[in-house]
Amino acid sequence: DVKVTQSSRYLVKRTGEKVFLECVQDMDHENMFWYRQDPGLGLRLIYFSYDVKMKEKGDIPEGYSVSREKKERFSLILESASTNQTSMYLCASSFSGTGFLSSTDTQYFGPGTRLTVL
Amino acid sequence: AQTVTQSQPEMSVQEAETVTLSCTYDTSESNYYLFWYKQPPSRQMILVIRQEAYKQQNATENRFSVNFQKAAKSFSLKISDSQLGDTAMYFCAFMKPPRSGNKLVFGAGTILRVKS
Repeated sequence: DVKVTQSSRYLVKRTGEKVFLECVQDMDHENMFWYRQDPGLGLRLIYFSYDVKMKEKGDIPEGYSVSREKKERFSLILESASTNQTSMYLCASSFSGTGFLSSTDTQYFGPGTRLTVL
Repeated sequence: AQTVTQSQPEMSVQEAETVTLSCTYDTSESNYYLFWYKQPPSRQMILVIRQEAYKQQNATENRFSVNFQKAAKSFSLKISDSQLGDTAMYFCAFMKPPRSGNKLVFGAGTILRVKS
């Protein structure tokens, strides 16, 4: 089974702190994603990475950065946490796949990190 | 830009009954993929079912089936013989070519409560 793990289930930080959220997958997936989940808004893509050291902005990248130094690990960084970044953060991974949709297109999610910024 | 709309914020169903969750989407693409994901209270999101837009046949996975209406841009999820373990948040999601990155666009979600 694919396993995606996140470093913390719950995190409390203060405004202005630098925050690191870590995600690790064990299936050699090329693609990794960071989403934030807010009530009434669903999941919104922050950043994704399709290879080591490669990244692309998602729909809401402002205030966030990412790092992917190893294939299995994708980090989300809040350079200076603000209260409006209080949210649930979900990491996901998938194979790149080729051709038509196959089982390799499925995104596998981690358990999420509930971040509270005070 | 693609958008996904789930018009039912919350729904409830009696155990063993059937329930349908609605999803509509907006796209100008002709080839794309649609998904339903389930997020139980424990928070681990899992794939329930998926549909390729080029296939006319509706996807089915055990008690879960979809009603895909491409012209109407509608993708509803039907859960038959509802079980207590089906209680979860359900998200409809859209993925478009090019497939690099497999980016998904999610709806706002529907909370489903199965009552005994």
